[in-house]
Amino acid sequence: KAGVTQTPRYLIKTRGQQVTLSCSPISGHRSVSWYQQTPGQGLQFLFEYFSETQRNKGNFPGRFSGRQFSNSRSEMNVSTLELGDSALYLCASSLGQGFDQPQHFGDGTRLSIL
Amino acid sequence: GENVEQHPSTLSVQEGDSAVIKCTYSDSASNYFPWYKQELGKRPQLIIDIRSNVGEKKDQRIAVTLNKTAKHFSLHITETQPEDSAVYFCAASYPTGTASKLTFGTGTRLQVTL
Repeated sequence: KAGVTQTPRYLIKTRGQQVTLSCSPISGHRSVSWYQQTPGQGLQFLFEYFSETQRNKGNFPGRFSGRQFSNSRSEMNVSTLELGDSALYLCASSLGQGFDQPQHFGDGTRLSIL
Repeated sequence: GENVEQHPSTLSVQEGDSAVIKCTYSDSASNYFPWYKQELGKRPQLIIDIRSNVGEKKDQRIAVTLNKTAKHFSLHITETQPEDSAVYFCAASYPTGTASKLTFGTGTRLQVTL
């Protein structure tokens, strides 16, 4: 079974631009969650999607948004990019809604803001 | 919200020795505690998890213990090997109505020296 796939692997953007990241979950997994990983803040939860609905959201500004499609694939969008948005963005998938079950991570998208 | 503290931030052990990483959580409603291993440049991978109705779980050289009263849980790695060198993250999941969140510790960089 293929693992969680994230595209692209690397992105370089400039301040003020916007970016869209993609995540394809493991086949059969219906929940997708997103995390921001930085050296200073560690792994921070962004949001979770299940059945095309956002179920929960972390403490990030409205510039961070996402969506999930009927095939469970998810996208995350960041608008008006800031230097502090430079990070590794990880998505994880699981069978059902909620986090009381194993989360399977992708390799991440490394976003660099110039 | 939930807060997870993890110690130590770095740990160096000699090959063959044991390593112990400790985490404390704040919300007594947390009910699921996974541990992830992240090698340099790779995705976090679940190595072991424990639920709140269990006090200890073991998988070969890895074990996790949970003390609900004290609200702390620990990862124990015995007979460490160089391939155990990585960053280890603990996490705690707690229910929030129909959804739940996964809060990570700040990570422990384990180095196993020959």
